[in-house]
Amino acid sequence: KNQVEQSPQSLIILEGKNCTLQCNYTVSPFSNLRWYKQDTGRGPVSLTIMTFSENTKSNGRYTATLDADTKQSSLHITASQLSDSASYICVVSYSFNTDKLIFGTGTRLQVFP
Amino acid sequence: DTEVTQTPKHLVMGMTNKKSLKCEQHMGHRAMYWYKQKAKKPPELMFVYSYEKLSINESVPSRFSPECPNSSLLNLHLHALQPEDSALYLCASSQVSLAQDTQYFGPGTRLTVL
Repeated sequence: KNQVEQSPQSLIILEGKNCTLQCNYTVSPFSNLRWYKQDTGRGPVSLTIMTFSENTKSNGRYTATLDADTKQSSLHITASQLSDSASYICVVSYSFNTDKLIFGTGTRLQVFP
Repeated sequence: DTEVTQTPKHLVMGMTNKKSLKCEQHMGHRAMYWYKQKAKKPPELMFVYSYEKLSINESVPSRFSPECPNSSLLNLHLHALQPEDSALYLCASSQVSLAQDTQYFGPGTRLTVL
């Protein structure tokens, strides 16, 4: 069954600290993996998109990694800021007869001063 | 311009009302999407338009009726909704492909059905 699982479900950190969010998937055939940031009540904003051949991609203080062999991805946030408080959603796409996106349930991050 | 706009931001409607949600993008994208998102859940795909034609309908009830008047506009017509349809409705667009291209989301319309 095609699934995307994220951990932890929620995370609280202090401003300035680093953190890492995890995403494991069983989607096949794999097309790409995306990380989105979603503020409460707003639409998701794309952070990174990685294909099979990419194992690291950065967007400012956000760095995503992908291990296609173990089907794991992580999102590392460096020097967290209050504005990083949001839900982070991992999405895996596949294209087999029809295109599909499989969404993870997200990690809710709260950054406190 | 990487913006997807949605109107209205908030909508309250009764179960007998007819209303429409609107979405617009000017990025030249040829694929547009409607999603429904309940609180603390990921977005759920409802419809996909590709080159202004409906290509995917994820078994959405007929009380939701999508329309794509042109390549920049996407509407979602609502009729005889149920209270459980209350949710955040998100519009998104991408260059061409659901699976290959980054999706750009609008800010959403918060719908409440009384």
